[in-house]
Amino acid sequence: DGGITQSPKYLFRKEGQNVTLSCEQNLNHDAMYWYRQDPGQGLRLIYYSQIVNDFQKGDIAEGYSVSREKKESFPLTVTSAQKNPTAFYLCASSKALLAVLNTGELFFGEGSRLTVL
Amino acid sequence: DAKTTQPPSMDCAEGRAANLPCNHSTISGNEYVYWYRQIHSQGPQYIIHGLKNNETNEMASLIITEDRKSSTLILPHATLRDTAVYYCIVRVATRGYGGSQGNLIFGKGTKLSVKP
Repeated sequence: DGGITQSPKYLFRKEGQNVTLSCEQNLNHDAMYWYRQDPGQGLRLIYYSQIVNDFQKGDIAEGYSVSREKKESFPLTVTSAQKNPTAFYLCASSKALLAVLNTGELFFGEGSRLTVL
Repeated sequence: DAKTTQPPSMDCAEGRAANLPCNHSTISGNEYVYWYRQIHSQGPQYIIHGLKNNETNEMASLIITEDRKSSTLILPHATLRDTAVYYCIVRVATRGYGGSQGNLIFGKGTKLSVKP
């Protein structure tokens, strides 16, 4: 079945370490997104990509990096520069960037929960 | 940007209709209303969206007032599995490529608890 796969589901990291979260989709979607969610809060956009080899900063990009070398994959690296990385990270995709779609929906993965020890 | 206001929490009896309100008094004419829900520790799931007319699908109905300043999501026969946080989102107007314009902004939503 088509969908979005995030891994790992749970991840623990020591302070000062970089960590990379995987996001793969087989929906043939052009656009992909990374969101961060803190307990009891809504989702905040970290980075998004509308096409291969292109990505843009969202609202809270500091301390994060991404790459989009393949259409199917949009990994997120949480660097040591991110001061408060403990959070629930969600990857999503859409057929095209929502900014150029009159309608359309986001498809989300199951999320990755990162805890910094 | 248009913003939405939702009650932080609601209860509903199993088998009854759940009516979730949302205010979006500053909505612009070309902005859509989207509803998503998020079951605990999972990714959000699309439910429905609309512009002016009422919409219905297999999951829910969306009622938008004539002045478009508010809407109601209706789950006709709530089950325990409908317990989730429900997000009402007004999508900012499309402005072409680039920037965060047009992205969905998820607030805190309404936590719906369906009780037996």
